[in-house]
Amino acid sequence: QVQLQESGPGLVKPSVTLSLTCVVSGGSISSTNWWNWVRQPPGKGLEWIGQIHQSGNIDYNPSLRSRVTMSIDKSNKQFSLKLSSVTAADTAVYYCARGTVQTPFGMDVWGQGTTVTVSS
Amino acid sequence: QSALTQPPSVSGSPGQSVTISCTGTSSDVGSHNRVSWYQQPPGTAPKLMIYEVSNRPSGVPDRFSGSKSGNTASLTISGLQAEDEADYYCSSYTTSDTYVFGTGTRVTVL
Repeated sequence: QVQLQESGPGLVKPSVTLSLTCVVSGGSISSTNWWNWVRQPPGKGLEWIGQIHQSGNIDYNPSLRSRVTMSIDKSNKQFSLKLSSVTAADTAVYYCARGTVQTPFGMDVWGQGTTVTVSS
Repeated sequence: QSALTQPPSVSGSPGQSVTISCTGTSSDVGSHNRVSWYQQPPGTAPKLMIYEVSNRPSGVPDRFSGSKSGNTASLTISGLQAEDEADYYCSSYTTSDTYVFGTGTRVTVL
């Protein structure tokens, strides 16, 4: 059973670059899956950030594309998100999620989420 | 890309049926059968309930069903149960190879 676990700094100052990591356990990261980042500001809805494939193909949300970088580390079975020039508007719970051919265009496994607060 | 439009809330008594709509455009919901639905109880991560408009992952009760007509997708919960109380989000893959989520709907069991 694949499990995902996010990790991050918790609290970051405005204008810095936020870095988050998602570790994949119980399964392969190098399969026909897409690995996604989704965030949820307090009391608000879900926002898709982007997805990365083990082949290196990446798609980003157009509204965040200029600030987002995603990467994958197959040897350590993890993928990462970097979000630059953060502001209070980036305060959210950040989730990683799997997109798989078993449930096309649906994300079937989610991490528990990591809370990121942007504040000076 | 703009968020898909969902009603803020729907409610029903136990045993009743409720339907949540999800309206997009010809660039997302209306383009292909690439709509999914997620359930999110308070304080928890989303859970996939429906993919490709009407398919249920293993373990999801058949009380949950999905459909689509034009640019609007729908999720129906039949035989509403107390445990179904949660926020529900639709999502669509777009013609730009991105995902967009709906605005979310709070389901209340009266």
